[in-house]
This record gives sequence, C-alpha cells and structure tokens, in this order.
Amino acid sequence: LAKTTQPISMDSYEGQEVNITCSHNNIATNDYITWYQQFPSQGPRFIIQGYKTKVTNEVASLFIPADRKSSTLSLPRVSLSDTAVYYCLVERYSGGGADGLTFGKGTHLIIQP
Amino acid sequence: DADVTQTPRNRITKTGKRIMLECSQTKGHDRMYWYRQDPGLGLRLIYYSFDVKDINKGEISDGYSVSRQAQAKFSLSLESAIPNQTALYFCATSDAVNSYNEQFFGPGTRLTVL
Repeated sequence: LAKTTQPISMDSYEGQEVNITCSHNNIATNDYITWYQQFPSQGPRFIIQGYKTKVTNEVASLFIPADRKSSTLSLPRVSLSDTAVYYCLVERYSGGGADGLTFGKGTHLIIQP
Repeated sequence: DADVTQTPRNRITKTGKRIMLECSQTKGHDRMYWYRQDPGLGLRLIYYSFDVKDINKGEISDGYSVSRQAQAKFSLSLESAIPNQTALYFCATSDAVNSYNEQFFGPGTRLTVL
C-alpha cells in the first residue's frame, strides 16, 4: 500500500479553517484515502473518505487532486475541541471491502483560543 | 463506542506472565483488528481477522497470538510478557459489506509490564 506522509504537528486558532495535507505518491488505482481523528486515551474515529475530487460531510471536507498523490483534510471554523491527532490512511478497495490497515504517526493539531 | 468493548481496561503484570486481552463487538462486523499504540508512534497493526476462520499477521505480530472464538470475539495473547510490550492496545471492527472500510475502535486497554 502507498506510504503516507503528513506534518507531525500544526497550530491554529478557534474559528479558523485548518487544512492538513497528506502525501501518498505511490497511491494505486484501487486505493481510497481515509482520515481518522483521535483524542487522548481514546480509539480513533472515522472522519471522511474519498477517492477523487472533493467529498464533504457534516464535519470536514476532503480535497483530492486529479493525480491523487496528495489529499487535504479541511476542518471549517475549528474549536478547542478539535485539538486531536489526525491520521491519513490509504486503503485498497477490492471486492466487498478494503484493506487499509496501516496508520502513520498522524498530525497533532493544537487549537488555541 | 459501546458497540466495541475491551477487557480489561487497565492491566499491570510482570515480565514472563501470560496475559490475554479480550475484545467483543455487537456490531455484527466480520472484520476485527488488534493495534498497539506507543507514544509518538501512531497505531501499529498486530493481527487482523476478516472472518472467523481467517487470521493474518500485521506489522508487529512477534510476541503475540490471537484467537477468533466467534464473529463477535477476538482475543489477543501475550505468551510471555516483556516490558517493551507496555502500550495502549486497541481493538477495532469493520464491515466487509459496506463500500468502504470504516473501522470502529474500542476504548483501549492500557497494559503495563513490569
């Protein structure tokens, strides 16, 4: 599976839009991009998944350029409660499911008042 | 998420002891996973199972074994615990039927090996 690279940490302020970029240069045709959020001492929680272009849900947007070698998670108007670690995964979709099983080190996002 | 439970939540044991961590799920998912998390290293996959008869090694399976007793239960064993197995352990499940592989995580087990 494609290896992912993301910044170790980022800082922002309440009310700002935060964009976290992940690079996955070796992504394959069948691979999907998934993002998880993790709070201290809790298990990760699914945020969003996409294959190409843009995906939006109630908490985030995911932007994927045409070459799919990177992706950007966008969090609109962050609050202090968005302070967490964010993981980018590349998952291979085949048959009835996907085989994305490797979490990287993630990006520690710190939101300040 | 109460649909995925892990027992015990905390455990302190001594070097050389055998210990079992248990995971149960009520989500009806076929796929189950065990991860460990160490500070600054993210989550690393230990073992995973795509159905009751399927067991696969992950990135760091040495020193661990697993048992898939039923669709809803997936246990992780440390046959002879050592201090560098001190970590936070997470169980997760996913549904192979869905079009994407969203994993649902348990609350974690904090294991300390003295």
